Amino acid sequence: EVQLVQSGAEVKKPGESLKISCKGSGYSFTSYWIGWVRQMPGKGLEWMGIINPGDSDTRYSPSFQGQVTISADKSISTAYLQWSSLKASDTAMYYCARRYTAMGIVWFDPWGQGTLVTVSS
Amino acid sequence: DIVMTQTPLSSPVTLGQPASISCRSSQSLVHSDGNTYLSWLQQRPGQPPRLLIYKISNRFSGVPDRISGGGAVTDFTLKISRVEAEDVGVYYCMQPTQFPYTFGQGTKLEIK
Repeated sequence: EVQLVQSGAEVKKPGESLKISCKGSGYSFTSYWIGWVRQMPGKGLEWMGIINPGDSDTRYSPSFQGQVTISADKSISTAYLQWSSLKASDTAMYYCARRYTAMGIVWFDPWGQGTLVTVSS
Repeated sequence: DIVMTQTPLSSPVTLGQPASISCRSSQSLVHSDGNTYLSWLQQRPGQPPRLLIYKISNRFSGVPDRISGGGAVTDFTLKISRVEAEDVGVYYCMQPTQFPYTFGQGTKLEIK
């Protein structure tokens, strides 16, 4: 079964750093890009960025460029999303999703279960 | 960035009745390879998003045939022929044609 399993919920203080993870299984991890999506409380989905685990080529949405870092460790089939200094406004649910591509096909599936990040003093 | 605009933002529907959601993109979603990559996702309360439709009109595995997608270039539609209780949730259109990928604001489907 193809699946993405994300790390557990986090509670942090403003200014702290954080790295959350997304582990892929059931497929060749380096063959498909992994994207990250933010969902603030009660709000819609926002595209943050995407990484090719094979060569670490990364593309960020302008809104998130410089605010987060996306990385991957292909040796353990895991993608990461990290912050160097959290703000209260980073409180949100974060999802990872695999971008499947084939001849004339692009879709995002599966999705991870989500990681809730709460930043509060 | 490509802006995706959904209407309506809320859709109260009677069980067994049809529902329709529109999604308009600010630019053509036709990729340089000639394909149009427009997807629809469903998010049930407390759940991660789930892929329903890809490439405008292709139903993903396990999606019932009462759910369909259509459209072209910049105008797209998701239709549910007969709404069931399990359809309650928020529906998003999404374009994976051009970086940065973008979502519509979401349409909340609820039962009247």
